[in-house]
Amino acid sequence: DVKVTQSSRYLVKRTGEKVFLECVQDMDHENMFWYRQDPGLGLRLIYFSYDVKMKEKGDIPEGYSVSREKKERFSLILESASTNQTSMYLCASRTPDNYNEQFFGPGTRLTVL
Amino acid sequence: AQSVTQPDIHITVSEGASLELRCNYSYGATPYLFWYVQSPGQGLQLLLKYFSGDTLVQGIKGFEAEFKRSQSSFNLRKPSVHWSDAAEYFCAVGPNQAGTALIFGKGTTLSVSS
Repeated sequence: DVKVTQSSRYLVKRTGEKVFLECVQDMDHENMFWYRQDPGLGLRLIYFSYDVKMKEKGDIPEGYSVSREKKERFSLILESASTNQTSMYLCASRTPDNYNEQFFGPGTRLTVL
Repeated sequence: AQSVTQPDIHITVSEGASLELRCNYSYGATPYLFWYVQSPGQGLQLLLKYFSGDTLVQGIKGFEAEFKRSQSSFNLRKPSVHWSDAAEYFCAVGPNQAGTALIFGKGTTLSVSS
């Protein structure tokens, strides 16, 4: 089975801190994604990565950056956390075929105080 | 613009009753279609998917969905709901090309009453 893991289930940070959210997949998927989930807004795409060292902005990239140095790992970075970044963050990776099915991690619930 | 609409924000169904969750999409071509379920505090789990062929697809946990091209719909159904089905359900569409992201609806929360 595909496994997508995220470094933390719950995280509490202070305004202005630099925050790293890590995601690791074990199925050699080329594509990886970071979504943000908020009540009533569903999932919104922050960034995605086609392959190592490649990245594309999603719908809401402002205030975020990403890093993909190795194929299995995709990191989301909040350079200076703000209270409006309090949310659930979901990582996903995609099957290597052409069907666009995505596999999700358990999520990280981030609270910024 | 590409979009997914789940018209029902919250639905309550009695245990043992049938369920239908609606999903409508706006897309320029035939998309790939998905339904995901999210239990409280968990990530998303794939229930079923449609790529091509038979328009009625079967998924896990007794769910099925029907693709209706003329109505741009992909409604999720279950004949008899169990209390454990209480969760949030997301419909998603994706272009039939590699390396692109899915577009998600805003979700429908299902409550099951006894």
